[in-house]
Amino acid sequence: DAGITQSPRHKVTETGTPVTLRCHQTENHRYMYWYRQDPGHGLRLIHYSYGVKDTDKGEVSDGYSVSRSKTEDFLLTLESATSSQTSVYFCATRLTGTSGNTIYFGEGSWLTVV
Amino acid sequence: AQTVTQSQPEMSVQEAETVTLSCTYDTSESDYYLFWYKQPPSRQMILVIRQEAYKQQNATENRFSVNFQKAAKSFSLKISDSQLGDAAMYFCAYRRSGGGADGLTFGKGTHLIIQP
Repeated sequence: DAGITQSPRHKVTETGTPVTLRCHQTENHRYMYWYRQDPGHGLRLIHYSYGVKDTDKGEVSDGYSVSRSKTEDFLLTLESATSSQTSVYFCATRLTGTSGNTIYFGEGSWLTVV
Repeated sequence: AQTVTQSQPEMSVQEAETVTLSCTYDTSESDYYLFWYKQPPSRQMILVIRQEAYKQQNATENRFSVNFQKAAKSFSLKISDSQLGDAAMYFCAYRRSGGGADGLTFGKGTHLIIQP
């Protein structure tokens, strides 16, 4: 357990509205990740962070932005939600260095865009 | 880019039997990590087992073991004495070695059904 809390856990929103998902961790892990999970696709990386204010794009970053102003918080923002962004979103964290071989996952956030 | 392939979308096994889930991957790296994650209906991602590529010995965790064939880029998961609680989606994942920020690359998953 890496002390990862995602909020909200469930959200229904309308097309075109902005949405922010929050990931909070208590273990001081350096690296944080946002994944989305869709049927038939497994988990795909959206964005990741390697430190405060240091972020980079993953495989499916279009339509998403992220911010990390504190070590413990990593925010995922959908500026204008679309139905294709209906998904389950997972936050994950990892320690730095070779001791950080394991990536820990939050419990997921269910987002429905109608 | 690394890719991970799970060729079995669904597998079914009788309770107490043994089942093997397949995973192949493609990478040009020589050092990396491979993982199997279990995702029950709750959607929680649970690490089942981890293998470091430089280790020749196959990893084992209780009833779970892997068959790691580095040359063939194959990483299968064997579950012995299957239990009803093993029913879940299983994901194979890859991560390059080193201390960088690289995330995991996942396969599309295998849905494991346990028949009572």
